[in-house]
Amino acid sequence: GAGVSQSPSNKVTEKGKDVELRCDPISGHTALYWYRQSLGQGLEFLIYFQGNSAPDKSGLPSDRFSAERTGGSVSTLTIQRTQQEDSAVYLCASSFGTGFLFTEAFFGQGTRLTVV
Amino acid sequence: GENVEQHPSTLSVQEGDSAVIKCTYSDSASNYFPWYKQELGKGPQLIIDIRSNVGEKKDQRIAVTLNKTAKHFSLHITETQPEDSAVYFCALISRITGGGNKLTFGTGTQLKVEL
Repeated sequence: GAGVSQSPSNKVTEKGKDVELRCDPISGHTALYWYRQSLGQGLEFLIYFQGNSAPDKSGLPSDRFSAERTGGSVSTLTIQRTQQEDSAVYLCASSFGTGFLFTEAFFGQGTRLTVV
Repeated sequence: GENVEQHPSTLSVQEGDSAVIKCTYSDSASNYFPWYKQELGKGPQLIIDIRSNVGEKKDQRIAVTLNKTAKHFSLHITETQPEDSAVYFCALISRITGGGNKLTFGTGTQLKVEL
């Protein structure tokens, strides 16, 4: 696609329910990132994929959060047993390179998650 | 982990004036410093970036300066216009345990350009 696409754009869920957020990166981009942005706050790093592998999952806030990437393309971020503090905008970004010659990271429009 | 401090958190300027946002960091290994603009309801968008082998880069009304010795970099917007109103984030590369790099962001600056 032309850019990073995230779905859904908005999600309202009841506390305790599971949610799945999807990210379609730019075709050919091997690096994919998930960030969380709480209201009026900066961007909190959650996890990074190089291909299908995530070398460091320590940025995930709790064991209720998990992420996977298949085929080196689409990624899903799953939040189990959602809590109100999970309410935030979840942003996905992709880039062509992630080594020394880091290239521009393109962001999607985000998924606004509201837990009621 | 890497920490990026960004100042000011809010900035109001009159249309036509200049705006300057400054970030400081601690990891001397960082070699890529982008600036992102985020408009309401949208994802951040890259507006300019600089690599550690240059001290200044300019793109029309936007410029970024980098002082690696002092570990700070700044965004300069001249002749500000109302459409410049947005949240601006500085960022830099920091290492990820296990390999690879990630962008670590500053806390953001809400810029308001008043008529």
